[in-house]
Amino acid sequence: GAVVSQHPSWVICKSGTSVKIECRSLDFQATTMFWYRQFPKQSLMLMATSNEGSKATYEQGVEKDKFLINHASLTLSTLTVTSAHPEDSSFYICSAPTGTSGTGELFFGEGSRLTVL
Amino acid sequence: QKEVEQDPGPLSVPEGAIVSLNCTYSNSAFQYFMWYRQYSRKGPELLMYTYSSGNKEDGRFTAQVDKSSKYISLFIRDSQPSDSATYLCAMTRMNTGNQFYFGTGTSLTVIP
Repeated sequence: GAVVSQHPSWVICKSGTSVKIECRSLDFQATTMFWYRQFPKQSLMLMATSNEGSKATYEQGVEKDKFLINHASLTLSTLTVTSAHPEDSSFYICSAPTGTSGTGELFFGEGSRLTVL
Repeated sequence: QKEVEQDPGPLSVPEGAIVSLNCTYSNSAFQYFMWYRQYSRKGPELLMYTYSSGNKEDGRFTAQVDKSSKYISLFIRDSQPSDSATYLCAMTRMNTGNQFYFGTGTSLTVIP
């Protein structure tokens, strides 16, 4: 199946610093990518939809200035957690559909665990 | 009412048992259905992708879609301890701008 790669898989940072997480579709182009947050033993929470060539669409309650999303190319989206604080510690996952308009399979990255000290 | 409902479990079965995982949905326009397996601290892995009603088999896994009842199932035969994970259902429909709808996930433990 198609592959979505996420990097880094684990990051520890100090409070107040910014952290960038990359999501790449390795063998297909993705005009749309999704970013999720997941707390232990809880379900995925959609944070935002990343659109190549345009601004991301954020879900209600997600601070767009806090979680900066850039979809630089058809194979790369980045999530930057700015001025991170301990409450931002979480598991962040991206996904990308292989098709458009809901017709394709949706593949997930391996996830990135962020710990803010 | 949520668009997709899934019993969170937890579900515990003995090794070798047949496992049945289910989701119901409210929107009859859903056409594409997916099942994912998620191990702890990993991203979800796509197990099955089906379109419309019917059955699809892949090894020990069978995905079943009943659009008339708005009900999908994932069956795992000869369950193994390595099947212990959270299983998520997901679905979508055409012309939605790539919106996917997820169940909350069912936690499964297969006991050796």
